[in-house]
Amino acid sequence: GAVVSQHPSRVICKSGTSVKIECRSLDFQATTMFWYRQFPKQSLMLMATSNEGSKATYEQGVEKDKFLINHASLTLSTLTVTSAHPEDSSFYICSARRAGDRGHHEQFFGPGTRLTVL
Amino acid sequence: AQSVAQPEDQVNVAEGNPLTVKCTYSVSGNPYLFWYVQYPNRGLQFLLKYITGDNLVKGSYGFEAEFNKSQTSFHLKKPSALVSDSALYFCAVRDISNTGKLIFGQGTTLQVKP
Repeated sequence: GAVVSQHPSRVICKSGTSVKIECRSLDFQATTMFWYRQFPKQSLMLMATSNEGSKATYEQGVEKDKFLINHASLTLSTLTVTSAHPEDSSFYICSARRAGDRGHHEQFFGPGTRLTVL
Repeated sequence: AQSVAQPEDQVNVAEGNPLTVKCTYSVSGNPYLFWYVQYPNRGLQFLLKYITGDNLVKGSYGFEAEFNKSQTSFHLKKPSALVSDSALYFCAVRDISNTGKLIFGQGTTLQVKP
């Protein structure tokens, strides 16, 4: 149980276009999802915390108008990279907390999406 | 401020030998600690966690970790390394803000040679 999927797994786009990445909890409901960015051989950088039915909370330095997050249901959160540029190329990973899983705050991670902006 | 440190960028061990990947933490209050593993171009897989109870925590794939409060450490261990254990390992601590955020260490690459 506790499987998280991401779609697409890999995307290549032209500079200036927008790209949407989906994060789904397949067998559980997730009240909270997290979006991370990872550069090669580096740690995960938390971009934002997404709560179902409310606005996302962005970490300092992350442009909310650039990285639009929507968490419309208990099983789906989306990250849209707007007007993408080559510097946005990265590995984006989402994770989810299971609804009702109080206290331990274990997160279940998706497989990641490799974004390449030409 | 809370933080997690993994002092080694890379650990090299021979297959069959014991391995240790180090992690130290700095938090106020009781820590919730986690270890995750990442294979190339994949997301993170949960290995184990310490919440409370026994200081020695057993996890997936034969890994274990020892919580040491006096040394503020949570080192990952395995008695006998496999080549397939070669991957990137992350230690993490739960943020005290109660948002569920995890604070990750910088990661340690484990290389197990045949």
